[in-house]
Amino acid sequence: DIMLTQTPLSSPVTLGQPASISCRSSQSLVHSDGNTYLSWLHQRPGQPPRLLIYDVSKRFSGVPDRFSGSGAGTDFTLKISRVEAEDVGVYYCMQATQFPPYTFGQGTKLEIK
Amino acid sequence: EVQLVESGGGLVQPGGSLRLSCAASGFAFRSYAMSWVRQAPGKGLEWVSVISGGGDSAYYADSVQGRFTTSRDNSKNTLYLQMSFLRVDDTAVYYCAKVPAFGFWTTDRFFDYWGQGSLVTVSS
Repeated sequence: DIMLTQTPLSSPVTLGQPASISCRSSQSLVHSDGNTYLSWLHQRPGQPPRLLIYDVSKRFSGVPDRFSGSGAGTDFTLKISRVEAEDVGVYYCMQATQFPPYTFGQGTKLEIK
Repeated sequence: EVQLVESGGGLVQPGGSLRLSCAASGFAFRSYAMSWVRQAPGKGLEWVSVISGGGDSAYYADSVQGRFTTSRDNSKNTLYLQMSFLRVDDTAVYYCAKVPAFGFWTTDRFFDYWGQGSLVTVSS
């Protein structure tokens, strides 16, 4: 199974400042069809996860443009250009290139300083 | 508006069984694959199973293979998870999630909508 490792596990950020989360895969996430099936999810406290980014860098409907995804191969990054209070919670990366199983990173907790 | 509402969770003894349901609305349920993902208390996300839009194909995580069965009733817009031989480490919130495609081997490989979750507690 593909393992996803996120860093950092916790990230205290000042409101209005940028934040960055890394997701590293144990194997390349490039599928034989040429696509890379890496997505990012956000889970606020007490809420279900919600999709932010899919296919590495495509923003899901309704997601603010302060969120962006990048990367290739085994290294991926989620960036928030200016953190807002509603961005607190846990962020997960997920791969669907080599399935089953779908696998998730262990999560990165974003909190406000 | 896409809505996914899980139900059926509760307290069950080790070795027992439970069936979760996920009622879907706001989209053409039969046209999309659906998945179950769980989250143990204070832990991360763990994929459990996925089923095709037609219900004729499903895959499971190794941790639940042979104990859990995913099915769907497209006439009722409902997804099910039958859980048997439950263990203490199956304790989790179980989420149903929608796949934006009929099957799995497509270029739409992510979960676009999630339900609120249903808590399953396995304890004696």
